[in-house]
Amino acid sequence: SQQGEEDPQALSIQEGENATMNCSYKTSINNLQWYRQNSGRGLVHLILIRSNEREKHSGRLRVTLDTSKKSSSLLITASRAADTASYFCATRSPRGGGADGLTFGKGTHLIIQP
Amino acid sequence: DAGVIQSPRHEVTEMGQEVTLRCKPISGHNSLFWYRQTMMRGLELLIYFNNNVPIDDSGMPEDRFSAKMPNASFSTLKIQPSEPRDSAVYFCASRTTTVATEAFFGQGTRLTVV
Repeated sequence: SQQGEEDPQALSIQEGENATMNCSYKTSINNLQWYRQNSGRGLVHLILIRSNEREKHSGRLRVTLDTSKKSSSLLITASRAADTASYFCATRSPRGGGADGLTFGKGTHLIIQP
Repeated sequence: DAGVIQSPRHEVTEMGQEVTLRCKPISGHNSLFWYRQTMMRGLELLIYFNNNVPIDDSGMPEDRFSAKMPNASFSTLKIQPSEPRDSAVYFCASRTTTVATEAFFGQGTRLTVV
């Protein structure tokens, strides 16, 4: 089963606008990570937020985490055409036995219109 | 470091044939993951290793799938016999086992079983 679920599934905005994507998860976490995937490529790590953090910034990225609601959001400010990609949130696998694999949602496909 | 290296990048094979996917993790990383990505199911964690030992293989879909990690610098994912429904992009990722670290992904192997 999916641990992280992103929404919306797809988002199309104009260049320069801000893009917000959300992620919900089901079990307790140590941290939550956001990744980006360009078409035909592997995933690239963007940012990690720990369970005791509420907000984190990295360049044009802003991530929030609400552990009470089991949700996170990724904000990309001043979007650029090159931001067009799929974005995934990832959490530690809910499987037991010391499971340490990251579990991903199905992602949000972001399209930035020039 | 050249990053996580996967081979081949593309594989087309006939149903019933054996397929072997290869992965070289980043030097010094002691966790290795195999993922499968399809449009329908998204990114699925198949198996992961810590220090060359398989920790959790509950994501391996069937007995036709097997994975090995004979040493710290090499892993294989084998499908025997292959079926059309195995067609997907298979990713290998590695990281250190510190709790809050990112995973580094290879470029993936696009497998097509006809």
